[in-house]
Amino acid sequence: IQMTQSPSSLSASVGDRVTITCRASQGIRNDLVWYQQKPGKAPKVLIYGASNLQSGVPSRFSGSASGTDFTLTIRSLQPEDFATYYCLQDYDYPLTFGGGTKVEIK
Amino acid sequence: EVQLVESGGGLVQPGGSLRLSCAASGFTFSSYWMNWVRQAPGKGLEWVANIKQDGSEQHYVDSVEGRFTISRDNAKHSLYLQMNSLRAEDTAIYYCVRDEAPRYFYGGSAYYSSAFDIWGQGTVVTVSS
Repeated sequence: IQMTQSPSSLSASVGDRVTITCRASQGIRNDLVWYQQKPGKAPKVLIYGASNLQSGVPSRFSGSASGTDFTLTIRSLQPEDFATYYCLQDYDYPLTFGGGTKVEIK
Repeated sequence: EVQLVESGGGLVQPGGSLRLSCAASGFTFSSYWMNWVRQAPGKGLEWVANIKQDGSEQHYVDSVEGRFTISRDNAKHSLYLQMNSLRAEDTAIYYCVRDEAPRYFYGGSAYYSSAFDIWGQGTVVTVSS
């Protein structure tokens, strides 16, 4: 299953609303997980089951699904949110990540 | 403290072998699916393999099938990745990862998600002559 993530990068300002999308090449139910990775660090899970917030993750992060399109939204971007974001489909093997979206400071 | 610590990385020639190890502590290791995820220099994440709690089921990404073998020793709280016939494209940081497998509901049914909640610090594998 191919996961097409867009955009590959974006520039945004603190306080902006940011939207990142992953499109699956076939139906995957809601078997979609979002991760955040900061430079030199291991990734951190944000959202599982497409829309369920992982414990300890700020509520400004949210996930949604529409068919094979999945969206990660950051409601009001904070300085600590500048990072690279990845989606992962866990519907079928092999598990596959999207290509990543780097969120940079404008 | 919940922790995963990888070891065994290094420089190896193409065609060579390495065995990665991951020591788990602070949680009941035998209760979780475990995974290896890698990241090539400057690239994105790639899931490599996983193994069921009792070791009875394993899955691999196509590019390593037949060359890599994932295994675990629950008595030693350890996860392993035996890597044979290594190629330059296997060069990456290799992360040992726990799957929390939280449950979520969709269409009235419950499913388990692959939420990788605990990651090791990674071990670097470089395949080069």
